[in-house]
Amino acid sequence: DTGVSQNPRHKITKRGQNVTFRCDPISEHNRLYWYRQTLGQGPEFLTYFQNEAQLEKSRLLSDRFSAERPKGSFSTLEIQRTEQGDSAMYLCASSFRLAEETQYFGPGTRLLVL
Amino acid sequence: RKEVEQDPGPFNVPEGATVAFNCTYSNSASQSFFWYRQDCRKEPKLLMSVYSSGNEDGRFTAQLNRASQYISLLIRDSKLSDSATYLCVVRLLNAGKSTFGDGTTLTVKP
Repeated sequence: DTGVSQNPRHKITKRGQNVTFRCDPISEHNRLYWYRQTLGQGPEFLTYFQNEAQLEKSRLLSDRFSAERPKGSFSTLEIQRTEQGDSAMYLCASSFRLAEETQYFGPGTRLLVL
Repeated sequence: RKEVEQDPGPFNVPEGATVAFNCTYSNSASQSFFWYRQDCRKEPKLLMSVYSSGNEDGRFTAQLNRASQYISLLIRDSKLSDSATYLCVVRLLNAGKSTFGDGTTLTVKP
Protein backbone atom coordinates (compact mmCIF):
# COMPACT_ATOMS: atom_id res chain seq x y z
CA ASP A 1 0.00 0.00 0.00
CA THR A 2 1.64 3.25 -1.11
CA GLY A 3 -0.87 5.62 0.49
CA VAL A 4 -0.60 7.71 3.64
CA SER A 5 -0.58 5.53 6.75
CA GLN A 6 -1.36 6.48 10.33
CA ASN A 7 -0.86 4.64 13.60
CA PRO A 8 -2.56 3.83 15.79
CA ARG A 9 -5.96 3.82 14.13
CA HIS A 10 -7.74 4.12 17.47
CA LYS A 11 -6.60 5.37 20.86
CA ILE A 12 -8.51 5.48 24.12
CA THR A 13 -6.84 7.31 26.95
CA LYS A 14 -7.64 8.85 30.29
CA ARG A 15 -7.70 12.55 30.81
CA GLY A 16 -4.27 13.88 31.72
CA GLN A 17 -2.31 11.24 29.84
CA ASN A 18 0.03 11.95 26.93
CA VAL A 19 -0.55 10.42 23.52
CA THR A 20 1.54 10.28 20.35
CA PHE A 21 0.36 9.58 16.82
CA ARG A 22 2.47 8.72 13.82
CA CYS A 23 1.97 9.54 10.15
CA ASP A 24 3.90 8.07 7.22
CA PRO A 25 3.28 10.10 4.08
CA ILE A 26 3.45 8.93 0.48
CA SER A 27 7.16 8.45 -0.09
CA GLU A 28 7.87 11.12 -2.69
CA HIS A 29 5.72 13.76 -0.98
CA ASN A 30 7.65 16.47 0.80
CA ARG A 31 4.66 18.28 2.34
CA LEU A 32 2.84 16.82 5.31
CA TYR A 33 -0.25 18.21 7.04
CA TRP A 34 -2.13 17.51 10.24
CA TYR A 35 -5.86 18.17 10.62
CA ARG A 36 -8.41 17.50 13.34
CA GLN A 37 -12.01 16.58 12.67
CA THR A 38 -14.92 16.34 15.08
CA LEU A 39 -18.34 14.90 14.34
CA GLY A 40 -20.38 17.00 11.95
CA GLN A 41 -17.50 19.33 11.15
CA GLY A 42 -15.01 19.52 8.34
CA PRO A 43 -11.32 18.90 9.01
CA GLU A 44 -9.58 21.81 10.74
CA PHE A 45 -5.97 22.61 9.87
CA LEU A 46 -3.43 22.17 12.67
CA THR A 47 0.02 22.42 11.11
CA TYR A 48 2.13 21.55 8.09
CA PHE A 49 5.69 20.68 7.21
CA GLN A 50 7.74 21.09 4.11
CA ASN A 51 10.44 18.48 4.48
CA GLU A 52 11.51 18.79 8.13
CA ALA A 53 10.55 22.46 8.51
CA GLN A 54 7.30 23.26 10.28
CA LEU A 55 6.04 26.19 8.23
CA GLU A 56 2.64 26.98 9.69
CA LYS A 57 0.76 26.32 12.91
CA SER A 58 -2.87 27.00 13.62
CA ARG A 59 -3.94 28.83 16.75
CA LEU A 60 -5.84 25.59 17.45
CA LEU A 61 -2.47 24.02 18.20
CA SER A 62 -2.17 24.88 21.87
CA ASP A 63 0.98 24.48 23.94
CA ARG A 64 -0.09 20.94 24.75
CA PHE A 65 0.25 19.95 21.10
CA SER A 66 3.57 19.42 19.37
CA ALA A 67 4.39 18.02 15.98
CA GLU A 68 7.70 16.93 14.55
CA ARG A 69 9.04 15.64 11.30
CA PRO A 70 12.72 15.12 12.17
CA LYS A 71 14.02 13.60 8.95
CA GLY A 72 11.48 14.97 6.54
CA SER A 73 9.77 11.60 6.24
CA PHE A 74 7.33 10.43 8.93
CA SER A 75 5.78 12.82 11.42
CA THR A 76 4.54 12.55 14.99
CA LEU A 77 1.84 14.53 16.73
CA GLU A 78 1.95 14.52 20.52
CA ILE A 79 -0.78 15.75 22.82
CA GLN A 80 0.25 16.28 26.43
CA ARG A 81 -2.14 16.27 29.37
CA THR A 82 -5.08 15.24 27.22
CA GLU A 83 -8.50 16.78 27.83
CA GLN A 84 -11.92 15.46 26.89
CA GLY A 85 -12.17 18.19 24.27
CA ASP A 86 -9.22 16.63 22.45
CA SER A 87 -11.43 13.69 21.44
CA ALA A 88 -11.52 13.79 17.66
CA MET A 89 -10.23 12.19 14.50
CA TYR A 90 -6.66 13.29 13.75
CA LEU A 91 -5.98 13.22 10.04
CA CYS A 92 -2.65 13.39 8.29
CA ALA A 93 -2.28 14.33 4.64
CA SER A 94 0.63 14.69 2.25
CA SER A 95 1.22 16.37 -1.08
CA PHE A 96 3.98 16.40 -3.64
CA ARG A 97 5.59 19.79 -3.85
CA LEU A 98 3.39 22.65 -4.87
CA ALA A 99 0.66 24.15 -2.74
CA GLU A 100 -1.72 23.54 -5.61
CA GLU A 101 -1.14 19.82 -5.47
CA THR A 102 -3.80 17.50 -4.16
CA GLN A 103 -3.54 16.57 -0.50
CA TYR A 104 -3.95 12.84 0.06
CA PHE A 105 -5.32 11.84 3.41
CA GLY A 106 -4.49 8.91 5.64
CA PRO A 107 -7.19 6.88 7.42
CA GLY A 108 -6.86 8.94 10.58
CA THR A 109 -6.35 8.20 14.26
CA ARG A 110 -9.53 8.32 16.29
CA LEU A 111 -8.83 9.58 19.82
CA LEU A 112 -11.22 9.19 22.72
CA VAL A 113 -10.30 10.86 26.00
CA LEU A 114 -12.24 9.54 28.97
CA ARG B 1 -18.94 33.85 9.76
CA LYS B 2 -17.08 30.73 8.70
CA GLU B 3 -14.47 31.03 5.95
CA VAL B 4 -16.13 28.30 3.91
CA GLU B 5 -19.86 27.69 4.21
CA GLN B 6 -21.94 24.83 2.92
CA ASP B 7 -25.58 23.85 3.32
CA PRO B 8 -25.31 20.82 5.62
CA GLY B 9 -28.36 19.13 4.10
CA PRO B 10 -29.19 16.34 4.26
CA PHE B 11 -30.13 16.03 0.64
CA ASN B 12 -32.27 12.94 0.12
CA VAL B 13 -32.75 12.15 -3.55
CA PRO B 14 -33.93 9.14 -5.57
CA GLU B 15 -31.59 7.23 -7.84
CA GLY B 16 -31.19 8.95 -11.17
CA ALA B 17 -31.85 12.42 -9.82
CA THR B 18 -29.69 15.44 -10.45
CA VAL B 19 -28.50 17.26 -7.35
CA ALA B 20 -26.45 20.42 -6.89
CA PHE B 21 -24.44 21.68 -3.94
CA ASN B 22 -23.14 25.18 -3.42
CA CYS B 23 -20.31 26.45 -1.31
CA THR B 24 -19.35 30.04 -0.53
CA TYR B 25 -15.97 31.31 0.62
CA SER B 26 -15.12 34.58 2.29
CA ASN B 27 -11.47 35.18 1.35
CA SER B 28 -11.27 36.73 -2.09
CA ALA B 29 -7.57 35.85 -2.27
CA SER B 30 -8.40 32.12 -2.42
CA GLN B 31 -6.77 30.49 -5.42
CA SER B 32 -7.31 26.75 -5.34
CA PHE B 33 -10.61 24.97 -4.96
CA PHE B 34 -11.54 21.34 -4.53
CA TRP B 35 -14.41 19.02 -3.79
CA TYR B 36 -13.66 16.08 -1.52
CA ARG B 37 -15.92 13.17 -0.71
CA GLN B 38 -16.01 11.61 2.75
CA ASP B 39 -17.75 8.37 3.58
CA CYS B 40 -18.90 7.71 7.12
CA ARG B 41 -15.92 7.29 9.48
CA LYS B 42 -13.46 7.35 6.59
CA GLU B 43 -10.89 9.88 5.43
CA PRO B 44 -11.70 12.58 2.86
CA LYS B 45 -10.83 11.68 -0.72
CA LEU B 46 -10.42 14.07 -3.60
CA LEU B 47 -13.41 14.09 -5.91
CA MET B 48 -12.25 16.82 -8.24
CA SER B 49 -10.35 20.07 -8.44
CA VAL B 50 -12.34 23.12 -9.53
CA TYR B 51 -10.95 25.23 -12.34
CA SER B 52 -11.92 28.74 -13.36
CA SER B 53 -13.39 27.55 -16.64
CA GLY B 54 -15.43 24.85 -14.95
CA ASN B 55 -14.72 21.17 -15.35
CA GLU B 56 -16.51 17.90 -15.75
CA ASP B 57 -15.64 14.36 -14.77
CA GLY B 58 -18.25 11.88 -15.88
CA ARG B 59 -21.44 12.59 -13.98
CA PHE B 60 -19.82 15.34 -11.91
CA THR B 61 -19.50 18.99 -12.92
CA ALA B 62 -17.78 21.66 -10.87
CA GLN B 63 -18.10 25.40 -11.41
CA LEU B 64 -16.31 28.37 -9.88
CA ASN B 65 -17.71 31.90 -9.70
CA ARG B 66 -14.95 34.16 -8.43
CA ALA B 67 -17.03 37.32 -8.58
CA SER B 68 -19.65 35.87 -6.24
CA GLN B 69 -17.13 33.69 -4.38
CA TYR B 70 -18.94 30.43 -4.70
CA ILE B 71 -18.27 26.95 -5.98
CA SER B 72 -20.82 24.44 -7.10
CA LEU B 73 -20.93 20.70 -7.64
CA LEU B 74 -23.54 19.07 -9.87
CA ILE B 75 -24.14 15.34 -9.77
CA ARG B 76 -26.20 13.88 -12.59
CA ASP B 77 -27.89 10.46 -12.65
CA SER B 78 -27.26 9.88 -8.93
CA LYS B 79 -26.21 6.41 -7.83
CA LEU B 80 -26.67 4.75 -4.47
CA SER B 81 -22.88 4.81 -4.17
CA ASP B 82 -22.87 8.61 -4.33
CA SER B 83 -24.26 8.70 -0.78
CA ALA B 84 -21.59 10.49 1.24
CA THR B 85 -20.63 13.86 2.67
CA TYR B 86 -19.23 16.31 0.14
CA LEU B 87 -16.64 18.75 1.44
CA CYS B 88 -15.78 22.03 -0.22
CA VAL B 89 -12.11 23.01 0.16
CA VAL B 90 -10.42 26.34 -0.44
CA ARG B 91 -6.74 27.22 -0.38
CA LEU B 92 -4.79 30.45 -0.69
CA LEU B 93 -1.97 30.75 -3.22
CA ASN B 94 1.18 29.00 -2.02
CA ALA B 95 -0.48 28.12 1.29
CA GLY B 96 -0.21 24.80 3.04
CA LYS B 97 -3.44 25.23 4.91
CA SER B 98 -6.65 24.00 3.33
CA THR B 99 -9.89 25.37 4.70
CA PHE B 100 -12.76 22.92 4.65
CA GLY B 101 -16.46 23.49 4.80
CA ASP B 102 -18.44 21.35 7.20
CA GLY B 103 -19.82 19.30 4.34
CA THR B 104 -23.13 18.55 2.68
CA THR B 105 -24.63 15.14 3.28
CA LEU B 106 -26.19 13.34 0.35
CA THR B 107 -28.32 10.22 0.61
CA VAL B 108 -29.41 8.57 -2.62
CA LYS B 109 -32.34 6.21 -2.17
CA PRO B 110 -33.57 3.39 -4.42
